[in-house]
Amino acid sequence: GAGVSQTPSNKVTEKGKYVELRCDPISGHTALYWYRQSLGQGPEFLIYFQGTGAADDSGLPNDRFFAVRPEGSVSTLKIQRTERGDSAVYLCASSLTAGSSYNEQFFGPGTRLTVL
Amino acid sequence: DQQVKQNSPSLSVQEGRISILNCDYTNSMFDYFLWYKKYPAEGPTFLISISSIKDKNEDGRFTVFLNKSAKHLSLHIVPSQPGDSAVYFCAASANAGGTSYGKLTFGQGTILTVHP
Repeated sequence: GAGVSQTPSNKVTEKGKYVELRCDPISGHTALYWYRQSLGQGPEFLIYFQGTGAADDSGLPNDRFFAVRPEGSVSTLKIQRTERGDSAVYLCASSLTAGSSYNEQFFGPGTRLTVL
Repeated sequence: DQQVKQNSPSLSVQEGRISILNCDYTNSMFDYFLWYKKYPAEGPTFLISISSIKDKNEDGRFTVFLNKSAKHLSLHIVPSQPGDSAVYFCAASANAGGTSYGKLTFGQGTILTVHP
């Protein structure tokens, strides 16, 4: 069956530009998560959605980062005025739900963002 | 503030022997712990988990031990196989008031190499 997919797989941009990263979760999964992994580090939580709403956006580093999930399926992570420090692998994950018991998060392959 | 720490960046083991990967945490609110495995250019894949009400969980060659008083967990792989060579991440989750297990906090990862 289809897993979590992310596009593009690689994105190179210039400092100050705007980028959008897309995530297609597993069909039927209501919870969707974004993480960022810098070189030599573990994934770092950014935001998660339960359905269309952002249930926890405490990991977004600043207001240049924004994510949407308008129909409760596909999500887009948007980064404005990119900086070199934004260079990382951006990982998306989905799970059946994110309620009162743990549900396994399935990860996509990630988008490698390079800001020159 | 690194709430989940994997202090060994790498581990090298001979095929057939035991691999022991360690993880320490500082946040006493964590009540669910997971190990993920990651190959290059792929997203992390779930390996095994343990709830804080248990001290051991076993799944085939993989066993996770939790010592809550020491805030320490470990993953044992026995016997180790060359295909186990990957980066292993420890992660933790807190059920915030019974409403959400959405956010995972990851350690930095340990690179395991199993030599034939």
